[in-house]
Parts: sequence; structure tokens; C-alpha cells
Amino acid sequence: DTGVSQNPRHKITKRGQNVTFRCDPISEHNRLYWYRQTLGQGPEFLTYFQNEAQLEKSRLLSDRFSAERPKGSFSTLEIQRTEQGDSAMYLCATVRGGSSYEQYFGPGTRLTVT
Amino acid sequence: QKEVEQNSGPLSVPEGAIASLNCTYSDRGSQSFFWYRQYSGKSPELIMSIYSNGDKEDGRFTAQLNKASQYVSLLIRDSQPSDSATYLCAVSNSGGYQKVTFGTGTKLQVIP
Repeated sequence: DTGVSQNPRHKITKRGQNVTFRCDPISEHNRLYWYRQTLGQGPEFLTYFQNEAQLEKSRLLSDRFSAERPKGSFSTLEIQRTEQGDSAMYLCATVRGGSSYEQYFGPGTRLTVT
Repeated sequence: QKEVEQNSGPLSVPEGAIASLNCTYSDRGSQSFFWYRQYSGKSPELIMSIYSNGDKEDGRFTAQLNKASQYVSLLIRDSQPSDSATYLCAVSNSGGYQKVTFGTGTKLQVIP
């Protein structure tokens, strides 16, 4: 257990519905990353935060995806109008900050869109 | 060209043997390199970090880095069935972006 938690662990939704995932980081970690991982692939970068500021969002990410990190604590990732292609594991990882790149992952949220 | 390349495997080794996992990367400015272990259905777990050319040892694991050749490897000595997992190579991005790029992973199978 890295100390990073994610909820829910599993989500099954129907196409067209909106879903929201939550990530609670290790308390002293100020950088937070969201990734998406499909079978046989490595984690694919979605977006990241330095404290409450969203510093980068993947160009591959459609406008249906949005993320927030109010007050630099927990973060949420929302997917609107879900599509079957959104089915994947959504991973959150946190970093202490400074010059460190060592990322510690939460357990992930597995999304299935039917 | 993929930014981080790994052989997808599976790599099969007998129990007690040395497993050798390889990774090449394209960003010459990368300075930080990581190996993650990922069991099926679980999230990645950081097992090794390496920043300088040469070898870094931690228990049964040795990471090797050659920046001139843009090559990083992971050796697992005395492989155990519990080492059976997918091993992900991750490389930091240069250019001021605080990100890493992951390879697709190599699946390792340790045969008892």
C-alpha cells in the first residue's frame, strides 16, 4: 500500500453516462498525475497537477475529460458522455515534488462502459 | 519511433535463473529512469530508480544504465515464481516537463 487511495475501485456504467473518480494522494506529495491503462499497454499520461494548478493535459484527451484538484489535496477525474473506448484502468500517481520523478500509484479505478 | 521501447515478451526463465529485461528510449535529454513491477489486475509498483550511468543494486535487483546507448536494463537474480509480472520501464521527459513516459512492459514468467 503506497498511501495513495482511489475510489471507486470498479465502475460499470452505460454509454452516455457521466462518471467521476477520486484520488487521495500521500499528504506531503504535491504533484499528482492521472493515467489511463488498457490491456497490454503501459500507463498513458492524461494530466497532472502541481498543488492545485493543472500544468498539462494530454493532447490525446478529448473535451469530455476534465480533472480538478481543489486546494491541492484530493483530485477528481470526470468523464462525460462515456464511450465504450473509455473502458480502461484509470490510475492516479503522486510525487513528493521538487526534482523527484518517483511516482507512487494508487490501486486504480477500473471502468467498464457497456 | 516509440519513445520507450520494451520487448513485450513473455520472457520465460526457470526458477533460480537470472532474468534480464531491456528498455531503449529516444529522448537523449532524459535524466531519470525507473522500473515498475505490475501484477495482473494491480497498479504499478516502483522497484528501482537509476540516474547515473552504471549499475545500481538493490537486493536481487540490479538496474543498469547506459545513456550514450540510450539503454536501461533490469536484472533479477535468483528469480522466483513471485517475480512473475509485467515490468514497466519509465523514462523522464526532458524540456522542463515533470513527466515520465512508460513503455508497454515486458511480461516475465518464472517457471518453478
